[in-house]
Amino acid sequence: SQKIEQNSEALNIQEGKTATLTCNYTNYSPAYLQWYRQDPGRGPVFLLLIRENEKEKRKERLKVTFDTTLKQSLFHITASQPADSATYLCALPQAGTALIFGKGTTLSVSS
Amino acid sequence: GAGVSQSPSNKVTEKGKDVELRCDPISGHTALYWYRQRLGQGLEFLIYFQGNSAPDKSGLPSDRFSAERTGESVSTLTIQRTQQEDSAVYLCASSLAPRSTDTQYFGPGTRLTVL
Repeated sequence: SQKIEQNSEALNIQEGKTATLTCNYTNYSPAYLQWYRQDPGRGPVFLLLIRENEKEKRKERLKVTFDTTLKQSLFHITASQPADSATYLCALPQAGTALIFGKGTTLSVSS
Repeated sequence: GAGVSQSPSNKVTEKGKDVELRCDPISGHTALYWYRQRLGQGLEFLIYFQGNSAPDKSGLPSDRFSAERTGESVSTLTIQRTQQEDSAVYLCASSLAPRSTDTQYFGPGTRLTVL
């Protein structure tokens, strides 16, 4: 069955550093991958979508890569700030338009 | 504009009782999804509605779970004879159209606690 793994449950970094989060998947060849941010007590908020024919996507301080050979996506936040502290979820499409979500990585940025 | 809203925000119920959770999608969004998020877990797909088409119920965990949607508006998720393992946050999302790449907009969720 399809499986998504986000390698780290928690990641702690210093303000100003680059945070790198990993999303791996198996038994699957998705046409795209999405990243969401979830703050405590709130629903996920869409950040970025990258398609299988795109190697890299950028949005402000965010960068996502998608390696279909490794079956892996990396999510980078450069010049991280305490306000970036949240849980980040990767998601892949399953049948229809529903999404399979990873468990998420909780990022803590300390000042 | 208004986002996806859900009610109640919190629900505490006793084992064996029925509960109804409500979702108001963004106006004009034709697709609506329900997910469940257990503590420390990822989101689990439950059901998907698209217009007047038959819903995709493939994620519903048991026949105690059902959902309805009136046209392209409000949806209710009903859990009958609740069990303690039903305790979770139930999230609703909507999207403009059912294209697979459409962004899903999530509500704040309903936290259900079954005692």
